[in-house]
Amino acid sequence: SAVISQKPSRDICQRGTSLTIQCQVDSQVTMMFWYRQQPGQSLTLIATANQGSEATYESGFVIDKFPISRPNLTFSTLTVSNMSPEDSSIYLCSVASDRGITDTQYFGPGTRLTVL
Amino acid sequence: QKEVEQNSGPLSVPEGAIASLNCTYSDRGSQSFFWYRQYSGKSPELIMSIYSNGDKEDGRFTAQLNKASQYVSLLIRDSQPSDSATYLCAVKRRGGSYIPTFGRGTSLIVHP
Repeated sequence: SAVISQKPSRDICQRGTSLTIQCQVDSQVTMMFWYRQQPGQSLTLIATANQGSEATYESGFVIDKFPISRPNLTFSTLTVSNMSPEDSSIYLCSVASDRGITDTQYFGPGTRLTVL
Repeated sequence: QKEVEQNSGPLSVPEGAIASLNCTYSDRGSQSFFWYRQYSGKSPELIMSIYSNGDKEDGRFTAQLNKASQYVSLLIRDSQPSDSATYLCAVKRRGGSYIPTFGRGTSLIVHP
């Protein structure tokens, strides 16, 4: 399986500011995703990061709030913009080598964000 | 109706017992099934995947799939306190999105 790293691992931010989270994979992968997991809750998919084109956002998530970049097959960033305390969550990068039915998703270690 | 359902638990079992975790899904087009383990404060890690009806064993873990009844289960034999975690079931359907649908997870507590 791919080795996935995320930076920062955690951060405490002030309301109204923005934070960019980086996700780096040690091998080329077709699919990269960003999830959010609030305390005690399951995973919520924010968007699929597409190389060379705009990300595909799930219902309830918009590009202005969560801009995503994916310049190549091993790297992606998620920005949480104009943060509020409701954005406090764990943000997870996830990858899959391809988009086949048996291709497995693997998760990075996560970024724990607290917004004051 | 939720697409992938799991009892949130907690499921409490004594050390050495068999823990049985269940997951039901609504989409008959589902083709691939995955179990993840998530320790508190950590990210999900893959335990097993299963694609065909029947049992698949890997060490102390056995995944069981019954597509006719639309359920998949995970058995953990000789449960250890280190198995205490939340277990997430994930399901992929054929012909549709390549993104799995996750259940809410079952919390397992193995007490000494």
